[in-house]
Amino acid sequence: AQTVTQSQPEMSVQEAETVTLSCTYDTSESDYYLFWYKQPPSRQMILVIRQEAYKQQNATENRFSVNFQKAAKSFSLKISDSQLGDAAMYFCAYRSAGTSGTYKYIFGTGTRLKVLA
Amino acid sequence: NAGVTQTPKFQVLKTGQSMTLQCAQDMNHEYMSWYRQDPGMGLRLIHYSVGAGITDQGEVPNGYNVSRSTTEDFPLRLLSAAPSQTSVYFCASSLWSGTSGGLAKNIQYFGAGTRLSVL
Repeated sequence: AQTVTQSQPEMSVQEAETVTLSCTYDTSESDYYLFWYKQPPSRQMILVIRQEAYKQQNATENRFSVNFQKAAKSFSLKISDSQLGDAAMYFCAYRSAGTSGTYKYIFGTGTRLKVLA
Repeated sequence: NAGVTQTPKFQVLKTGQSMTLQCAQDMNHEYMSWYRQDPGMGLRLIHYSVGAGITDQGEVPNGYNVSRSTTEDFPLRLLSAAPSQTSVYFCASSLWSGTSGGLAKNIQYFGAGTRLSVL
């Protein structure tokens, strides 16, 4: 079974600085999708960035980028120029591409990011 | 476009009571799912559905029932509520569930959540 591990329960970053959130996963599949979701205090789940496993190029979305290392099964999120509005819980998620007949999304336990003014 | 709508937003139950959490989406998404979120445990999948009439169990299905009679609706039923079911519940949907939909079609959209307390 697939698993997703976020080993940092909490991280802090100074405003305008850069922070990296870690995520590792375990799977025997070769085709899958990876996601980072943000959950602010409002509880709404917001998609931050996503990556297809077969694409070697790392995804970027404005100040957010990932470091996808397929062989190492690592999918870290880098937030540049951190802003107060980035403070939230961040979840890493894995989704099989479905070739194994599995259609489940697997989430990590989350990393709470604090942004210091 | 309402997206994914969950009702109610808050609910307090007594042990043994039953209730249904409602979830509806207006995006014609085939895939729908229910999660519970507990402190330190992330989101855990309860049940999911890949289309009308098709449901399957997730990681923590015990104590919950689901059905999918239409594409739009995916209610979650608690038959006999227990304090261990106190949690925040999220419904989510995505456009496609198969093997060749591509990344954009596999992005999940979430409802605003339901905070449930069982006394």
